[in-house]
Amino acid sequence: ETGVTQTPRHLVMGMTNKKSLKCEQHLGHNAMYWYKQSAKKPLELMFVYSLEERVENNSVPSRFSPECPNSSHLFLHLHTLQPEDSALYLCASSLHLPGGDGKNIQYFGAGTRLSVL
Amino acid sequence: SQQGEEDPQALSIQEGENATMNCSYKTSINNLQWYRQNSGRGLVHLILIRSNEREKHSGRLRVTLDTSKKSSSLLITASRAADTASYFCATTSGSRLTFGEGTQLTVNP
Repeated sequence: ETGVTQTPRHLVMGMTNKKSLKCEQHLGHNAMYWYKQSAKKPLELMFVYSLEERVENNSVPSRFSPECPNSSHLFLHLHTLQPEDSALYLCASSLHLPGGDGKNIQYFGAGTRLSVL
Repeated sequence: SQQGEEDPQALSIQEGENATMNCSYKTSINNLQWYRQNSGRGLVHLILIRSNEREKHSGRLRVTLDTSKKSSSLLITASRAADTASYFCATTSGSRLTFGEGTQLTVNP
């Protein structure tokens, strides 16, 4: 166990559904991340939160809406998704944001495998 | 283009052999990390090497870093079937951690 828990592990949804992905970390970390991993593509950073404030939003479509109510929890709310949004969504946390001190090792959850029909 | 690019994209070896994966990057970095991912799971951190370090060891893992060539290598010695996974390098530059595309390693029993 990495200390980062994602639920659900698998999700199938239609294009008109609304669902949420949940991530919880028990490591006392200050930074949390959402990544998208599609087949044959590099890991895509979607959102970064530091101390519950969003610090990065990498041109992600508005049908993905993150929420960070506290430093231990991160959500990704999904609505009106497209089939190309099918992917593995990974949550990660780190003690600090990446910087020069080397304390930015990221701990990943097992991911949510999302299929959009 | 990607900050971190692994080479080769796929590697298949026999159990007991050594596996070497390479990573090249483009900009100056604070540190470089290697992660491992089993199929359909999250990434697991393996080792971090700082920009002022040249070599680091952890168990059967050996990482080298050549900042003049902007490259790193990950060596897994005496490989086991359980080492089968994808391996990613990730570079820290400023406030950003960027992952490469990964090398798929298959260790045949």
